[in-house]
Amino acid sequence: DVKVTQSSRYLVKRTGEKVFLECVQDMDHENMFWYRQDPGLGLRLIYFSYDVKMKEKGDIPEGYSVSREKKERFSLILESASTNQTSMYLCASSLRTGGSPLHFGNGTRLTVT
Amino acid sequence: GENVEQHPSTLSVQEGDSAVIKCTYSDSASNYFPWYKQELGKRPQLIIDIRSNVGEKKDQRIAVTLNKTAKHFSLHITETQPEDSAVYFCAASPGGFKTIFGAGTRLFVKA
Repeated sequence: DVKVTQSSRYLVKRTGEKVFLECVQDMDHENMFWYRQDPGLGLRLIYFSYDVKMKEKGDIPEGYSVSREKKERFSLILESASTNQTSMYLCASSLRTGGSPLHFGNGTRLTVT
Repeated sequence: GENVEQHPSTLSVQEGDSAVIKCTYSDSASNYFPWYKQELGKRPQLIIDIRSNVGEKKDQRIAVTLNKTAKHFSLHITETQPEDSAVYFCAASPGGFKTIFGAGTRLFVKA
């Protein structure tokens, strides 16, 4: 069974801090994703990566960057956290691009004060 | 732009009744339609999916139907149980890395 692990369940950060959210998957999946989940808005794609060092912007990339130095690890970076980035962040991986289910981590609930 | 509309946003049923959640998508290139269940405090998990070459798929008490002409797809849960209570997300994928999610339906099953 695929395991996607997010390093933190809850994080509280101050406005302006640099924040790192880490995600590791153990199934050798090519594709990894970062989503943001907000009530009434579903899941929105921030960034995705289809290979080491490769990344593509999703629907809401502003204020975020990502890093994928190893196949199993995908990091989301908030360069300067703002209160409107308070949200639930979900990492996911998938075997193939297109027509392949997403395997999610448990999520990181980030609060920016 | 591409979007997926999901209705209702909240659904309350009596245990043993059926529940139906409906979604409409806009991108006619969509060819993969997964459904995810997210229990409180847990990760979304795939419960069933359907591809565009199939009109219906069933897995025990869960079924999904797809009408490509109308760009509608629906989730049907029969004989609901309290453990079916969760938020359900529909999604549509036109291929590539895109998966467009609906806003979610919170299902309550009353014992």
